[in-house]
Amino acid sequence: GAVVSQHPSWVICKSGTSVKIECRSLDFQATTMFWYRQFPKQSLMLMATSNEGSKATYEQGVEKDKFLINHASLTLSTLTVTSAHPEDSSFYICSARKGTYEQYFGPGTRLTVT
Amino acid sequence: AQSVTQPDIHITVSEGASLELRCNYSYGATPYLFWYVQSPGQGLQLLLKYFSGDTLVQGIKGFEAEFKRSQSSFNLRKPSVHWSDAAEYFCAVDNNNDMRFGAGTRLTVKP
Repeated sequence: GAVVSQHPSWVICKSGTSVKIECRSLDFQATTMFWYRQFPKQSLMLMATSNEGSKATYEQGVEKDKFLINHASLTLSTLTVTSAHPEDSSFYICSARKGTYEQYFGPGTRLTVT
Repeated sequence: AQSVTQPDIHITVSEGASLELRCNYSYGATPYLFWYVQSPGQGLQLLLKYFSGDTLVQGIKGFEAEFKRSQSSFNLRKPSVHWSDAAEYFCAVDNNNDMRFGAGTRLTVKP
């Protein structure tokens, strides 16, 4: 199988605080993981590519100091939204690459910033 | 510019009817092609993929897709839709380890 989990599945935080989202590949090792953001009724937008043991590669327009990504092991990547604001409220989805081209997606994390 | 186009934002079909969701891509070479399905509030589930070889690929849940190089298309089909197929469908292409998604097509199934 190829199962990817995310934790938490939903989170509410106050403006100005930080929140961490975990992405785990449960039954395979992933040297590369991806973080996407999805607004309601829209497609997935790639935020960054996370490589184990090295710095993440951010897409143009994504603030790397705001969205901190750490890929500490072959099965875990974390996304920390720092100093969250209401406009950061969104659905965040991670994926893990298995093999050369297949990506398996987590169930997503709904972030609401109040 | 490289792009993935799903021309239909929303499609409604009757249960039991056939379905075709369109996907076109614009890349210099043939990328790797995928179809994913997303239920509300959920992540994405891989339906099928095309890397090379037979241009008609079979996927899960009775879905199939046909790659047509001349049309730069990778349309998703199902001969008989079930109510549980109602969801959002995304076409995706991976070109040199860079995956991009279409805007999605929302499928509504009428009883």
